[in-house]
Amino acid sequence: GENVEQHPSTLSVQEGDSAVIKCTYSDSASNYFPWYKQELGKRPQLIIDIRSNVGEKKDQRIAVTLNKTAKHFSLHITETQPEDSAVYFCAATPHNTNAGKSTFGDGTTLTVKP
Amino acid sequence: DGGITQSPKYLFRKEGQNVTLSCEQNLNHDAMYWYRQDPGQGLRLIYYSQIVNDFQKGDIAEGYSVSREKKESFPLTVTSAQKNPTAFYLCASSMTSGSGEQFFGPGTRLTVL
Repeated sequence: GENVEQHPSTLSVQEGDSAVIKCTYSDSASNYFPWYKQELGKRPQLIIDIRSNVGEKKDQRIAVTLNKTAKHFSLHITETQPEDSAVYFCAATPHNTNAGKSTFGDGTTLTVKP
Repeated sequence: DGGITQSPKYLFRKEGQNVTLSCEQNLNHDAMYWYRQDPGQGLRLIYYSQIVNDFQKGDIAEGYSVSREKKESFPLTVTSAQKNPTAFYLCASSMTSGSGEQFFGPGTRLTVL
């Protein structure tokens, strides 16, 4: 089955700096890569996603890049703010599973210091 | 945040007892999932269902059971066979037409006393 590794497990940055979280996956059949943000005590929510036919996607201060050859994808947050502090999860979904069964990384705890 | 709900928010159980966690969605989604979240770990899949009256084991199904008698509901039973059931349980749903966003419920925190 799919295996997803996420790094780093914790990340601390100063407000205004950039943050990068990287995930690698093992199944070349994976074609959908979402990123979820989970604030303390709350449910995970999708912040951005990318499909395998696209190399990069951007939404304001958040971007995701995908390298299919190397089987890794990364989340980039620019101009970080204290409200960006949360746990971020990546996931990979093989296209041959029509129920969208995703495998999640272990999460990255991002702390943005004011 | 509406659309998918879980109850109760907190649940306490004595060892040896079965307990059922509720998950309901009004998003008209065909697929539903149960995850377990432990501190410092990601979301581990317990069971998932693609359609009513059908479900499959996930990565950590031992000690758990589910049913999917209605499209809107996907209850999870934590049985006494689950050796370490204390955890945060998240239910999610998604459309089945290919891979896509999963919508999560607020979660149930289960503590075994």
